[in-house]
Amino acid sequence: EAGVVQSPRYKIIEKKQPVAFWCNPISGHNTLYWYRQNLGQGPELLIRYENEEAVDDSQLPKDRFSAERLKGVDSTLKIQPAELGDSAVYLCASSARTSGGSYEQYFGPGTRLTVT
Amino acid sequence: ELKVEQNPLFLSMQEGKNYTIYCNYSTTSDRLYWYRQDPGKSLESLFVLLSNGAVKQEGRLMASLDTKARLSTLHITAAVHDLSATYFCAVDIIQGAQKLVFGQGTRLTINP
Repeated sequence: EAGVVQSPRYKIIEKKQPVAFWCNPISGHNTLYWYRQNLGQGPELLIRYENEEAVDDSQLPKDRFSAERLKGVDSTLKIQPAELGDSAVYLCASSARTSGGSYEQYFGPGTRLTVT
Repeated sequence: ELKVEQNPLFLSMQEGKNYTIYCNYSTTSDRLYWYRQDPGKSLESLFVLLSNGAVKQEGRLMASLDTKARLSTLHITAAVHDLSATYFCAVDIIQGAQKLVFGQGTRLTINP
């Protein structure tokens, strides 16, 4: 079974430029998450989708960040314009309910963004 | 404000030794997860703890959860070099929503 796929793996841009990240979750996983992980820290949730609906975007900086999940499968996270402080690893995860009634999140490899 | 605190943040130990990583959290929750992250890699799920008193073991790692004390532990027995990684605990703060709040991570280095 294929895992969560993300692209690109690395991105270097100058500040004020736009950037977009793409995520393809595990097949059948209705819930999709975007996290940001700063160096030496744990991941922080940016947005969570249930199918096509963004059900929790309270931590998404909406002035410059946007996300979409068309048809409830793939998702794109965009930053426009990027700032130096946006340098981080952006992780995508997906989950589904297990037979035991719990959820388990599976993470993609991440996109390492460097803003210069 | 919810806090998830891991202790220690850095741990260097020798092979063959035992040690414990602690994860304290400040909200009511009975769902806690442990992840492993190797340098430059993504997070790998290790344990899912879903009730008070839950204990899970896999190889040299054992995790437990005490929801009354708001404490989870990850115990390493007879450490080997391959266990060197950063370990994160994450607390699910909204039942049914799987909203995880992560600790800062414990960077574990095991020396031969």
